[in-house]
Amino acid sequence: DAGITQSPRYKITETGRQVTLMCHQTWSHSYMFWYRQDLGHGLRLIYYSAAADITDKGEVPDGYVVSRSKTENFPLTLESATRSQTSVYFCASSDRRGGNTEAFFGQGTRLTVV
Amino acid sequence: AQSVTQLGSHVSVSEGALVLLRCNYSSSVPPYLFWYVQYPNQGLQLLLKYTTGATLVKGINGFEAEFKKSETSFHLTKPSAHMSDAAEYFCAVSDQGNMLTFGGGTRLMVKP
Repeated sequence: DAGITQSPRYKITETGRQVTLMCHQTWSHSYMFWYRQDLGHGLRLIYYSAAADITDKGEVPDGYVVSRSKTENFPLTLESATRSQTSVYFCASSDRRGGNTEAFFGQGTRLTVV
Repeated sequence: AQSVTQLGSHVSVSEGALVLLRCNYSSSVPPYLFWYVQYPNQGLQLLLKYTTGATLVKGINGFEAEFKKSETSFHLTKPSAHMSDAAEYFCAVSDQGNMLTFGGGTRLMVKP
């Protein structure tokens, strides 16, 4: 199916474990983004990627790692999960960095760190 | 730097009443402005956007927003609320080459 998909939809992990959230898009959009959504903070940008093998930090990158070996995939890894990383994570893609271009969002991954 | 403030984290209206969700932004250059809607357990989808030209923008599901430069506002309205409008709404700004910056969101509740 065309679109942007995230997996898993729900994840519970323990403090200190590594966890990877997956994101896949079928539009061949050049830009991909990871946001976290927390009450009162709206969506905050964690990392973004302008193309394969090009990534850059957003507003809240600490504790996260990303990679983009293929245009369609943009996984987000929490190297050693902490409770403060309990959140809903959204992946998005667009064909431009910003400006007047719409970003398309996945359905989100709800991550709980216990 | 750009920022967005949404006044009211929760708004409750009766079915059939006017919906008004407030958004104020700051941007050092002419902004692009967006409203996104998030239904429960779903991602965000675009409601409408302002880029250039007409300051009154119409979106999906009967929503519209007006860009007022003098007030640095981009409030979202709908004349008559429907139960299906219950969702969280996010205002966002992008000043040309920059990323989208989102407001904190407003949860709209619609009472029967």
